[in-house]
Amino acid sequence: GAVVSQHPSRVICKSGTSVKIECRSLDFQATTMFWYRQFPKKSLMLMATSNEGSKATYEQGVEKDKFLINHASLTLSTLTVTSAHPEDSSFYICSAPTGGNTIYFGEGSWLTVV
Amino acid sequence: AQSVTQPDIHITVSEGASLELRCNYSYGATPYLFWYVQSPGQGLQLLLKYFSGDTLVQGIKGFEAEFKRSQSSFNLRKPSVHWSDAAEYFCAVGDQAGTALIFGKGTTLSVSS
Repeated sequence: GAVVSQHPSRVICKSGTSVKIECRSLDFQATTMFWYRQFPKKSLMLMATSNEGSKATYEQGVEKDKFLINHASLTLSTLTVTSAHPEDSSFYICSAPTGGNTIYFGEGSWLTVV
Repeated sequence: AQSVTQPDIHITVSEGASLELRCNYSYGATPYLFWYVQSPGQGLQLLLKYFSGDTLVQGIKGFEAEFKRSQSSFNLRKPSVHWSDAAEYFCAVGDQAGTALIFGKGTTLSVSS
């Protein structure tokens, strides 16, 4: 069946550096993908909508310059956390609708900034 | 405003007992409703979804949910809980299949022996 894959599943980076997380739709094309953030023991909060071939749409309160989203192809969206700080440590998860009545979520990526 | 409320933060159920997790939504349009389960440190797994039709929806792992429009509810049920069901459960709502979802805060299910 359709699968959405995220990479890396876990990443540790130093404060001040940037880290990229990839979200791939493996056997379907996704013109739209969604990025969520989940704080420990909290719900998932939508960060932004990634649109293939155009700019991402960010939710209120999400820093566009810190969380760069690029949807360069119909199967790949990337989230780059720039100048990461410890407070950016979180679980990031993407999702992609198949165009039918199904939305698939990636496995998520744990980011730890030290 | 659109929202999803899961009134129970934490529920403990004895193994073999029945389970009901509550979910209420506030949504202007016809809602698309979902239940997801998340094990510690893992991603989300879809248990079931409701778009239209029969208001009683069957899902995986023996779960079912009933959509009640009059009560704006979409409660999740399981007749007999297994220890492996211990996890975090999220109810979510969207306005069509391809949009972002609004999640409830989740209910942590513990299963006692």
